[in-house]
Amino acid sequence: NAGVTQTPKFQVLKTGQSMTLQCAQDMNHEYMSWYRQDPGMGLRLIHYSVGAGITDQGEVPNGYNVSRSTTEDFPLRLLSAAPSQTSVYFCASSYSGQGYTGELFFGEGSRLTVL
Amino acid sequence: AQTVTQSQPEMSVQEAETVTLSCTYDTSESDYYLFWYKQPPSRQMILVIRQEAYKQQNATENRFSVNFQKAAKSFSLKISDSQLGDAAMYFCAYKKTSYDKVIFGPGTSLSVIP
Repeated sequence: NAGVTQTPKFQVLKTGQSMTLQCAQDMNHEYMSWYRQDPGMGLRLIHYSVGAGITDQGEVPNGYNVSRSTTEDFPLRLLSAAPSQTSVYFCASSYSGQGYTGELFFGEGSRLTVL
Repeated sequence: AQTVTQSQPEMSVQEAETVTLSCTYDTSESDYYLFWYKQPPSRQMILVIRQEAYKQQNATENRFSVNFQKAAKSFSLKISDSQLGDAAMYFCAYKKTSYDKVIFGPGTSLSVIP
């Protein structure tokens, strides 16, 4: 089983460039989310989605856009990269229906460096 | 807004001993979910244990158990018979409902001393 797949795993950008972090899951999970992880700050929620066509902001949404056109995919777009967006990014999904356990399934993370 | 606090940035424990990691949270809800996740150096996030707020009984998973104090909004993790493989970052997390966002605490870095 592939689970949650994130690409790319590593990326170096210059200030002002744009890019998209891809996230795909094959578990038919309704809930998907993006976090960034910085030392001493834990995982901070950027955006999340409870189903196709529905997205909402998390704690730190500025500078990021998302869309959810399908159940499987939840890409994260950096419109104009800034050094403050240097971080490790995680995509996570979970099942929301009957028998819900709450467990988040995580991708392997994407390390982004903005110069 | 809900918040999750972990007041111990770093902890250490001797191998085979017991350690308790603290977590407090703030919410006005009566029903919610609480979790502990482990992140070893591989960076992979692993669910350790979960607790549903409406259940009074504390959850246990082998060597891992929680002390859930709903009135105090406290959710501590106890690791018994610590092993070298338990060395990791541990994150406490909160979720209101199945369709709501998951909020994480800042984490506690646990070292296990041989």
